[in-house]
Amino acid sequence: DAGVIQSPRHEVTEMGQEVTLRCKPISGHNSLFWYRQTMMRGLELLIYFNNNVPIDDSGMPEDRFSAKMPNASFSTLKIQPSEPRDSAVYFCASSYPYGGSAEAFFGQGTRLTVV
Amino acid sequence: AQSVAQPEDQVNVAEGNPLTVKCTYSVSGNPYLFWYVQYPNRGLQFLLKYITGDNLVKGSYGFEAEFNKSQTSFHLKKPSALVSDSALYFCAVRDSTTSGTYKYIFGTGTRLKVLA
Repeated sequence: DAGVIQSPRHEVTEMGQEVTLRCKPISGHNSLFWYRQTMMRGLELLIYFNNNVPIDDSGMPEDRFSAKMPNASFSTLKIQPSEPRDSAVYFCASSYPYGGSAEAFFGQGTRLTVV
Repeated sequence: AQSVAQPEDQVNVAEGNPLTVKCTYSVSGNPYLFWYVQYPNRGLQFLLKYITGDNLVKGSYGFEAEFNKSQTSFHLKKPSALVSDSALYFCAVRDSTTSGTYKYIFGTGTRLKVLA
C-alpha cells in the first residue's frame, strides 16, 4: 500500500480564496483524521470520521472550515474564505483501530500558505 | 478525557550517549500509548506502541519505550543516540469515545538534538 496520500503537498493562495485539501486513506482503514500543525499550537485534531461519518468536528476552528468524506477512499478539507492565520501544515491520518494494529498512519501533509 | 504531556521542549544529547524523551499520560482505563517521529518537512512516522504485555516495548530504529503504570509514564529511550535521530518526537494516547470510536491525542512534541 502506498500509505496515506495527500494533495497538494504545497499550496499558496491569496486571502479570501477557497482552498481544498485532499486525502486518500490507506485501503481498509475505517477511521480518518484531519490535523493541523503550527508552531504556536502544535498538532491539533480538527475533525475525524468513522466509516465515512463525521464523529467529532469540535476542533474545526471556524465555520470557514468544512470537511467531507464521500466514500471510504477520499476526504476533503475545505477552507472558504482562507485567511493568513490558516497558514499551517495540514495532515491527514487513517487507522483501523481494532485488533492488534491500533496506530494511526499519517500522510506527508499539505503546507498551506495564505498571503 | 485522555491526555499526554511532554515536559521537555528540547532534549540535547551527545552522539553515542543514551537518550530519554519523557512522556506522562492521563487516562481512564487501560492506555494505548504511541510514539511518533517527525523529520523536517515530513509526516509523522510511527515508532512504537504499548497496548498490553511487557512494559518494555521495542520499536523501529533501535528505539524502545518503558511503560510505567504507577508513574503514568511512557518514556522513549535509545541506548546510543545517532545524529540522524535528531527530529521532533511526539507521544500520543488513543482516546475512546462514547460512540465507540477512537481518536488520537498528541503531546506538544519534544525536539531531540543529537550533537556530534
